[in-house]
Amino acid sequence: AQSVTQPDIHITVSEGASLELRCNYSYGATPYLFWYVQSPGQGLQLLLKYFSGDTLVQGIKGFEAEFKRSQSSFNLRKPSVHWSDAAEYFCAVVNNNDMRFGAGTRLTVKP
Amino acid sequence: DAMVIQNPRYQVTQFGKPVTLSCSQTLNHNVMYWYQQKSSQAPKLLFHYYDKDFNNEADTPDNFQSRRPNTSFCFLDIRSPGLGDAAMYLCATSREQYQETQYFGPGTRLLVL
Repeated sequence: AQSVTQPDIHITVSEGASLELRCNYSYGATPYLFWYVQSPGQGLQLLLKYFSGDTLVQGIKGFEAEFKRSQSSFNLRKPSVHWSDAAEYFCAVVNNNDMRFGAGTRLTVKP
Repeated sequence: DAMVIQNPRYQVTQFGKPVTLSCSQTLNHNVMYWYQQKSSQAPKLLFHYYDKDFNNEADTPDNFQSRRPNTSFCFLDIRSPGLGDAAMYLCATSREQYQETQYFGPGTRLLVL
């Protein structure tokens, strides 16, 4: 079955530390890949997306993600986390007009 | 500049009492989506409109209906809300379907008493 997996339900990092949020998918072909962020009580905001081309994608707020076909992964990274990055992060995958969200990773940022 | 607007932000209804949630967009996008998001879970697509064409997800209960009277507006009707329907309801739009970026509204949190 097609699926999107975010293995980490909750991650805590210190402010200024680096961050990596994991996303794995199981689809036959290369899907379209997205990362969204959701602050408490708010809608989702697109951070970045990958359709094709360069496998390292730059997004807003200093985030980047790397598509690795061999690992079926699209991990989100940020070199230095800010307190305002505390939020829920969702990976989303589209394949053949079937869109699926991962279960999300909640990020807590320690002072 | 608000692009996807949802009203109200919070809605309280009674068990079994019909309720309508509203979404409007200023982007002139072809596609409008409704998602249900329960606490600590991923958004779950209920249905979407491509222009006037309605597309229902296979597992969306019959209790949930939608209307799109024009390009800008889309409504979610819950005919007989149950306690299990309490959730955040997110509206989103995209220029074309799925592989395009979806723009989300702030959501309406529904409480069923």
